[in-house]
Amino acid sequence: SSELTQDPAVSVALGQTVRVTCRGDSLRKYFASWYQQKPGQAPLLLIYGVHSRPSGIPARFSGSNSGDTASLTITGAQAEDEADYYCNSRDSTGKNYVVFGGGTKLTVL
Amino acid sequence: EVQMVESGGNLVRPGGSLRLSCSASGSSFKTYSMNWVRQVPGKGLEWISHISGNSDDVYYADSVKGRFTIARDNTRNLLFLQMNSLRGDDTAVYYCAREQLSSAIFDNWGQGTLVTVSS
Repeated sequence: SSELTQDPAVSVALGQTVRVTCRGDSLRKYFASWYQQKPGQAPLLLIYGVHSRPSGIPARFSGSNSGDTASLTITGAQAEDEADYYCNSRDSTGKNYVVFGGGTKLTVL
Repeated sequence: EVQMVESGGNLVRPGGSLRLSCSASGSSFKTYSMNWVRQVPGKGLEWISHISGNSDDVYYADSVKGRFTIARDNTRNLLFLQMNSLRGDDTAVYYCAREQLSSAIFDNWGQGTLVTVSS
């Protein structure tokens, strides 16, 4: 399958740690990237190449992967982290060039 | 910092056409692959098209193949999306996104332009 699967919604208490996962066959061959999107804004690249962060992205955001699953971890979630999170990767099936996960809505309690 | 600005979004009737543009700042535009990604309001991101830096490689999602055409003008730092035979399910915010290393790493995004297909 060319799909990437994410949990639709996850919640975390302020200051706690949360993991957002992304699963798909393409992740056995390609790295996932992670994006944060807040209402009314364009997506923002958070993590690429498993665990690299662009300049300006806080260190509380980290990435990992294992087999067909990529994970985004927020260590010490802040109120401003409440947002939608998307993963993507190249499509190993060749059906599409790129595939996106369906997105995870993160609520910070 | 690179900035990208989309334009061209509008209200169009089903079956109509529209051309979107994405203007990118900076002198290295031609070295990057570019993509269009769309988002139906309230829904997730959908990749729809890719073009390599020299335009040699072009890809489309099945949902737009045969109806949409991606192109670029590296002399003017412009990316285009020609959209024909528009349908109601093409209604979305359309983003241009710069890609790193042909690896689906979209490191810069425009602010998006809204396309509404309705009679």
